[in-house]
Amino acid sequence: GEDVEQSLFLSVREGDSSVINCTYTDSSSTYLYWYKQEPGAGLQLLTYIFSNMDMKQDQRLTVLLNKKDKHLSLRIADTQTGDSAIYFCAESSTGGGNKLTFGTGTQLKVEL
Amino acid sequence: GAVVSQHPSWVICKSGTSVKIECRSLDFQATTMFWYRQFPKQSLMLMATSNEGSKATYEQGVEKDKFLINHASLTLSTLTVTSAHPEDSSFYICSARGTDNQPQHFGDGTRLSIL
Repeated sequence: GEDVEQSLFLSVREGDSSVINCTYTDSSSTYLYWYKQEPGAGLQLLTYIFSNMDMKQDQRLTVLLNKKDKHLSLRIADTQTGDSAIYFCAESSTGGGNKLTFGTGTQLKVEL
Repeated sequence: GAVVSQHPSWVICKSGTSVKIECRSLDFQATTMFWYRQFPKQSLMLMATSNEGSKATYEQGVEKDKFLINHASLTLSTLTVTSAHPEDSSFYICSARGTDNQPQHFGDGTRLSIL
C-alpha cells in the first residue's frame, strides 16, 4: 500500500522556526494535508495543498510541496509553546477513494 | 465553520457491554464520515467509511459485526462497539467530509476503557 513517512520528534526553541518534513510514495496523490493533534484530542486541520501547487502560506504556516521528490514540509514561523503537539501529514488520491493515508506523526516540542 | 462533534468523550464500562459513539457535523452536511482507531503514540488506523443512506465499507481486518456503523442522516453517524472487551479499549475518532474534494474534519475523539 501507499506509505507516508515522517520523523518522530522535533525540538525547537520558542521564537524559532520549525520545519516538519514528510515523504510519500503515492505518485497520484491529489491533496496533501497537515493536521495537528494535542494530547487527548482529535485532529485539527491546519492547512492543505492541491498537488499542482508548490507552496501555500497561511499566516505563520508555510507548506512546500516538491512533487518530483514526493516531499512535503510544514514551516511554522515564530514557534510558540502552544504549538507543541503531534503533527500528522496525510495524503489522499482520487484512485484511493479520497481516503486519507496518514504519516506516523511528528512530536513537536517547543522549549522556552 | 466545519465543526464535528463527537460524544461521549470518555466511556468506562464493564466487559460485555455495548457502547454507542455519536459523530455529528454541526454546520455542514457530511456525505461521508469515517471512523478511526488510534493506539497510544501511534497514527490513526481507518476502520470504516460510511456514506449517508448506505452500508459502511470496512477496512480489512475490522469486524463488521463487532463495530456497527450507521449513517442515517447527512449530519449523524454512529459507531456501536458490541459486546466490548478489554482489547477494544482505545481512542476512537470520527471525521466528516462534505464533497469528495473537501478535507476531512475530525471530532475530538472518544476514549473507551473496558474493564
